[in-house]
Amino acid sequence: DIVMTQSPDSLAVSLGERATINCKSSQSLLYSSNNKLYLAWYQQKPGQPPNLLIYWASTRESGVPDRFSGSGSGTDFTLTISSLQAEDVAVYYCQQYYSTPITFGQGTRLEIK
Amino acid sequence: QITLKESGPTLVKPTQTLTLTCTFSGFSLSTSGVGVGWIRQPPGKALEWLALIYWDDDNRYSPSLKSRLTLTKDTSKNQAVLTMTNMDPLDTATYYCAHRRRGEGYKIFDYWGQGTLVTVSS
Repeated sequence: DIVMTQSPDSLAVSLGERATINCKSSQSLLYSSNNKLYLAWYQQKPGQPPNLLIYWASTRESGVPDRFSGSGSGTDFTLTISSLQAEDVAVYYCQQYYSTPITFGQGTRLEIK
Repeated sequence: QITLKESGPTLVKPTQTLTLTCTFSGFSLSTSGVGVGWIRQPPGKALEWLALIYWDDDNRYSPSLKSRLTLTKDTSKNQAVLTMTNMDPLDTATYYCAHRRRGEGYKIFDYWGQGTLVTVSS
């Protein structure tokens, strides 16, 4: 199984400031035949199901604000919120879909400082 | 518009079998490329993928739970069903079904049900 490890476990950022969440996979998520990274990010607000934010490591889902961006290569990935808004308070998960079993990170809780 | 909703018992006893139904609209599990995933989340903990049922019955299971899980579908009712045997208190979780994004290589979930909390207790 591919192990996904996020850091930090929790993060407090001031409104309007940048938030950065990291995700590391135990093996490369780059599929050489199509040069795609099989990594997605989800946002989960309290009492709600997860919401898909980003896939292919950097492709923003339709309707997701452009303050959310994803980057990375191989085994190291980053979700960045460029200017934190109050509605961004949530737990964020990375997910690999390079191979089955699909695996998620342990989550990063983002709060307002 | 795609929607999904989980239904089933909220309380099961240890050793019992859990059957959850995902009733969906806006897509069909008889259409090529379509899949429905099951994911669970223990209270206060992370997401755990359980299984994925495809339109062609090429189902995939989490290896750690494979011996306990069965996926079926009823395309006429737009339903996917997850069965989990020998339930244990550690299986207490919110269980979600979710629509798999269609397309080559996608095992991501773009629409989710609200989830159903299943408690395992005697």
